[in-house]
Amino acid sequence: DTGVSQDPRHKITKRGQNVTFRCDPISEHNRLYWYRQTLGQGPEFLTYFQNEAQLEKSRLLSDRFSAERPKGSFSTLEIQRTEQGDSAMYLCASSLPRDYSTDTQYFGPGTRLTVL
Amino acid sequence: AQKITQTQPGMFVQEKEAVTLDCTYDTSDQSYGLFWYKQPSSGEMIFLIYQGSYDEQNATEGRYSLNFQKARKSANLVISASQLGDSAMYFCAMSPNSGGYQKVTFGTGTKLQVIP
Repeated sequence: DTGVSQDPRHKITKRGQNVTFRCDPISEHNRLYWYRQTLGQGPEFLTYFQNEAQLEKSRLLSDRFSAERPKGSFSTLEIQRTEQGDSAMYLCASSLPRDYSTDTQYFGPGTRLTVL
Repeated sequence: AQKITQTQPGMFVQEKEAVTLDCTYDTSDQSYGLFWYKQPSSGEMIFLIYQGSYDEQNATEGRYSLNFQKARKSANLVISASQLGDSAMYFCAMSPNSGGYQKVTFGTGTKLQVIP
């Protein structure tokens, strides 16, 4: 399977603990995105990487959240001191723009986080 | 700012019949792209179809077609010959065609249930 992969698929943690998620994009894709999706809503943008550079962060991404993409390949999203409001599905997507038009983002299966 | 509106929280369709999922959008951008994604209960967002704002013909991908009416700012998804496997959440989304980073805005989704 050469699609976007995410690990773990499910994570249950206690409030106050730190968690880290991993995303492996489609191999030739240079753009990588993180989204958060809560129940009954569409995905909301969190942050975006072009290669290894983090170019944009949403205001949703508080200082407890940090994302990295070393070497421009896989990415990690860490949440420190988790809160119950962090419970959501965290989706990763990647894309490879081929020209000046819109490029299509391809999503992974997501990591479902439950904070107790 | 961009906005996507999906007014149908849930839809039922008989197997083998066609169904239309509504999507209206609002944007001040002259050039933009419209997308539809399918999200089964497993959580993965599956790309279905793309329509560019300057494309004169409606996009089609197998049983999926996008009924694009630019003047009315609508981008409805038509699924022909519904199958049980089509039961899922469907999200309409859009992004500007600006070449650089392109923030994708999602609607709240429509839950489609196909009845045998």
